[in-house]
Amino acid sequence: SQTIHQWPATLVQPVGSPLSLECTVEGTSNPNLYWYRQAAGRGLQLLFYSVGIGQISSEVPQNLSASRPQDRQFILSSKKLLLSDSGFYLCAWSGAKGNQPQHFGDGTRLSIL
Amino acid sequence: AQTVTQSQPEMSVQEAETVTLSCTYDTSESDYYLFWYKQPPSRQMILVIRQEAYKQQNATENRFSVNFQKAAKSFSLKISDSQLGDAAMYFCAYRSYAGGTSYGKLTFGQGTILTVHP
Repeated sequence: SQTIHQWPATLVQPVGSPLSLECTVEGTSNPNLYWYRQAAGRGLQLLFYSVGIGQISSEVPQNLSASRPQDRQFILSSKKLLLSDSGFYLCAWSGAKGNQPQHFGDGTRLSIL
Repeated sequence: AQTVTQSQPEMSVQEAETVTLSCTYDTSESDYYLFWYKQPPSRQMILVIRQEAYKQQNATENRFSVNFQKAAKSFSLKISDSQLGDAAMYFCAYRSYAGGTSYGKLTFGQGTILTVHP
């Protein structure tokens, strides 16, 4: 069966520090991968998605970047964090077919001080 | 671009009763997919039910069922025999047909917080 792992679960970082969140998927190949951000009590905003190694599409201009160095690895990064980067970050994967749902990791709670 | 609207920020229900959560969406596409996700306090996103737009029959999963009205662009979720464990935020989501260029991206509504009273 397929599983998705996301870490760390919680992170507290100072403003201006770098960021690296990692997500890996097991039990499937060539998944679509996604990074979302969720503000407190709000819906999910899609940040990045990837349909293959090295292929990244950005949905919104921001202080963050994403990379996919391996088929089942998706990384969210920042060189200098801003206060506005605080939030709950979720990684997800899906198959390519439209009726296949997205499956989510457990999320990372990021607090910027 | 597609939009998804959940007009009920909060709903409440008594245990064992039935509750319906509303969702409407706006799209010019004829083929698409709709989902309901549940996010409990642990904040894990859990798939509840899915519906293909080309299917007229409403999807059901145990105590969860949907009322899909394609012409009205409405996709409501009915929870029967509500349980304390159903308490969560519920999100409606839209996904374009994969044959397009959307690459399976989901568009989410803002969510409805469901409280279940014992």
